Amino acid sequence: DIQMTQSPSSLSASLGGRVTITCRASQGISTYLAWFQQEPGKAPKSLIYGASNLQSGVPSRFSGSGSGTYFTLTISSLQPEDFATYYCQQYVNYPLTFGGGTKLEIK
Amino acid sequence: QVQLQESGPGLVKPSETLSLTCIVSGGSTSNYYLSWFRQPPGKGLEWIGYVYNTGSTNYNPSLTNRVTISEASSKNQFSLTLNSVTTADTAVYYCARCGPLRLVADHWGQGTLVTVSS
Repeated sequence: DIQMTQSPSSLSASLGGRVTITCRASQGISTYLAWFQQEPGKAPKSLIYGASNLQSGVPSRFSGSGSGTYFTLTISSLQPEDFATYYCQQYVNYPLTFGGGTKLEIK
Repeated sequence: QVQLQESGPGLVKPSETLSLTCIVSGGSTSNYYLSWFRQPPGKGLEWIGYVYNTGSTNYNPSLTNRVTISEASSKNQFSLTLNSVTTADTAVYYCARCGPLRLVADHWGQGTLVTVSS
């Protein structure tokens, strides 16, 4: 299985600020990488696919980059609704696997 | 707008079978990977498997010998069966639609908590 490792596991930031979350794959996955946002008690929401492509309706303050084994999710100009948990997921190989999550909290 | 809704028992006894159904409305299921995921309380996400409209399936090897995902003949619902459950199978179970071009779940059900307990 491909292991996905996210860092940090949690971080705090201020409204209007900017954060970057990192996801590393245990082997190269090209750009078969997705990012999800999950609010407490809710289902995950797809943000990005193909490492850098925004899903329809996702605000442009979200951006993704990377390829191979190293990926980042950047959120600029943080809004109240952005404080949630974020997961990366690879979809190049079975089984599909997720990172452990990064919880973003308000400072 | 595509919507998915899970249904099934919220409590299952150890060693018994967990069965859930997902109804898809407002969109097609053809050429999509109809998938199940789960999330133990306070933990991360795990992919369980999918059924594709040809009837083909793919399962997480960690669950292969206990899991079955199938699509109903009506084509707007699919189901999950997990045999011989233990307390480790306690989780929120989500159904989701992935694809058609990529195995990324762009529509999810709200999730249903299944507790395994005697």
